[in-house]
Amino acid sequence: AQSVAQPEDQVNVAEGNPLTVKCTYSVSGNPYLFWYVQYPNRGLQFLLKYITGDNLVKGSYGFEAEFNKSQTSFHLKKPSALVSDSALYFCAVRGNAGNNRKLIWGLGTSLAVNP
Amino acid sequence: DARVTQTPRHKVTEMGQEVTMRCQPILGHNTVFWYRQTMMQGLELLAYFRNRAPLDDSGMPKDRFSAEMPDATLATLKIQPSEPRDSAVYFCASGFPMGVDTGELFFGEGSRLTVL
Repeated sequence: AQSVAQPEDQVNVAEGNPLTVKCTYSVSGNPYLFWYVQYPNRGLQFLLKYITGDNLVKGSYGFEAEFNKSQTSFHLKKPSALVSDSALYFCAVRGNAGNNRKLIWGLGTSLAVNP
Repeated sequence: DARVTQTPRHKVTEMGQEVTMRCQPILGHNTVFWYRQTMMQGLELLAYFRNRAPLDDSGMPKDRFSAEMPDATLATLKIQPSEPRDSAVYFCASGFPMGVDTGELFFGEGSRLTVL
């Protein structure tokens, strides 16, 4: 069965420091992987995706994510965090064949960037 | 600025009442999703339409929930009768076939439902 795990409910970082939000997945076949961000009282916004190609994917607002097939991970990163990055971050995965096309969501990680 | 529009943004109702939530997808998008978000369960897919046809509503409690797309510019989610456990934020999202197949969805701002 497909699944996504975001092992940290909350991540705290100081402004200007690098941040990492972790995501691991389980899917049969080659995965499609995504990160979305949700600001308070707002809908989710697409940040970036990995479909194929370069393992390092760059997205919106200076975020990037690295696909690691051997570790089945897709961690979200940013070199220098901003207070405005404080939000809820969701990782999602889907397979690319047959009945595995439904998007499976992680439970989210709350990122708090402290001034 | 194209966006998914949801109404109402907030709804407080009493148990047993009917609730209807509406969604206007982005013009030209032909795939629409309804999600429910709660602290305990996270994001749950309730229903999924492509070209107005329901493709998957397995996540939706059939006895009280119904979802329809009467036309390409309107999707509705109805709860009748509502129960306190239905209290949640309900999101509508839309996308193009290619966009949806690669997971890029555009979400509305959500409808926050409180059932007393």
